Amino acid sequence: DSGVTQTPKHLITATGQRVTLRCSPRSGDLSVYWYQQSLDQGLQFLIQYYNGEERAKGNILERFSAQQFPDLHSELNLSSLELGDSALYFCASSLYNEQFFGPGTRLTVL
Amino acid sequence: AQTVTQSQPEMSVQEAETVTLSCTYDTSENNYYLFWYKQPPSRQMILVIRQEAYKQQNATENRFSVNFQKAAKSFSLKISDSQLGDTAMYFCAFSQAGGTSYGKLTFGQGTILTVHP
Repeated sequence: DSGVTQTPKHLITATGQRVTLRCSPRSGDLSVYWYQQSLDQGLQFLIQYYNGEERAKGNILERFSAQQFPDLHSELNLSSLELGDSALYFCASSLYNEQFFGPGTRLTVL
Repeated sequence: AQTVTQSQPEMSVQEAETVTLSCTYDTSENNYYLFWYKQPPSRQMILVIRQEAYKQQNATENRFSVNFQKAAKSFSLKISDSQLGDTAMYFCAFSQAGGTSYGKLTFGQGTILTVHP
């Protein structure tokens, strides 16, 4: 158990819908990262937050957004969902340079 | 931009044998970190080992060790005394040690390792 929690574990929704994925980092970790794992794109960095502020952006679509709250938990919002958004979404947290991953949220868009 | 390449899509090894997974990377940075992550069928991402680029000594963690060749930009993972529980996808990953991309992990494509009894 990494200490990072993600909810829900599984999410099945339809095209055009909007979903929110939630992540709670390890106690004391200030950074939260979001990654997407899909068959065709592999593991890709989406976005990083540090102590409530956006720190770095990767290949994140404009339909996707994220935020980190004062209690340091983070949410990833995915809107206008397309079939190609089906993937495993990971959250990771770190205090320094070692990232610990949550169990992931499996998103299926039908 | 950094890139990480794992040229072995699949590898297999007999239980108790030794196997080496390859990884090369490209960067213009001088300070960075390299990691190997394991992803078993449960899909959990588990950190196996890490290496700081400024350290010449290769990292070791029990049965896992790395061969870090900075000039060649090579970072291979050696698994000794392979066990059935080592069966997983292994990802090599790169992270800058500073700058705006500090912390962000760039992953290779992964190598599926199967350990046979």
